[in-house]
Amino acid sequence: KAGVTQTPRYLIKTRGQQVTLSCSPISGHRSVSWYQQTPGQGLQFLFEYFSETQRNKGNFPGRFSGRQFSNSRSEMNVSTLELGDSALYLCASSLLGGLNTGELFFGEGSRLTVL
Amino acid sequence: TQLLEQSPQFLSIQEGENLTVYCNSSSVFSSLQWYRQEPGEGPVLLVTVVTGGEVKKLKRLTFQFGDARKDSSLHITAAQPGDTGLYLCAGGLAGSSNTGKLIFGQGTTLQVKP
Repeated sequence: KAGVTQTPRYLIKTRGQQVTLSCSPISGHRSVSWYQQTPGQGLQFLFEYFSETQRNKGNFPGRFSGRQFSNSRSEMNVSTLELGDSALYLCASSLLGGLNTGELFFGEGSRLTVL
Repeated sequence: TQLLEQSPQFLSIQEGENLTVYCNSSSVFSSLQWYRQEPGEGPVLLVTVVTGGEVKKLKRLTFQFGDARKDSSLHITAAQPGDTGLYLCAGGLAGSSNTGKLIFGQGTTLQVKP
């Protein structure tokens, strides 16, 4: 079956702009979570959605937001971009969500560069 | 402060050598996963351990979950160049406030030279 698809794979923005990233989970998976990966901080949890509801949110400013649609596809948005937002943004899907309820399948990520 | 401390951060060894990567925490995890990530790709799950003291083997890889569920280790026997990559441990905390949230270690970059 098709894996997790993230678009775009690469993008370059300037400070102050906003960006929207998209994630299509594996068919049948209802949980989508987002992570930010940087060399200094590693993978940091952003948020998790299950059946269109945000169940959990990490310690990121309100500039980071997300949503999930009825078909389980998810988007995340970052407004007023800062240089420090440059990172690889990873989306992961799972059947039910949560570590104890199944494997996380990660996409290849969207690499954001903020100039 | 990193909730999951992973060590070493970098490891460069010769083909055929053995190695161990450690993942430690002061917190108790309901279960723990190990992932491997290659450049340009997302992490891929290697194993999930859920019971304190549990040992799982995947070919030349041996994973152990500490008795108190606060630590884990990954041991690779006779490493091969194909083992090169970033190894990540990730744990889930119990409680409804932690639903869907994985805490990752900083990762161990492994290079196996032929």
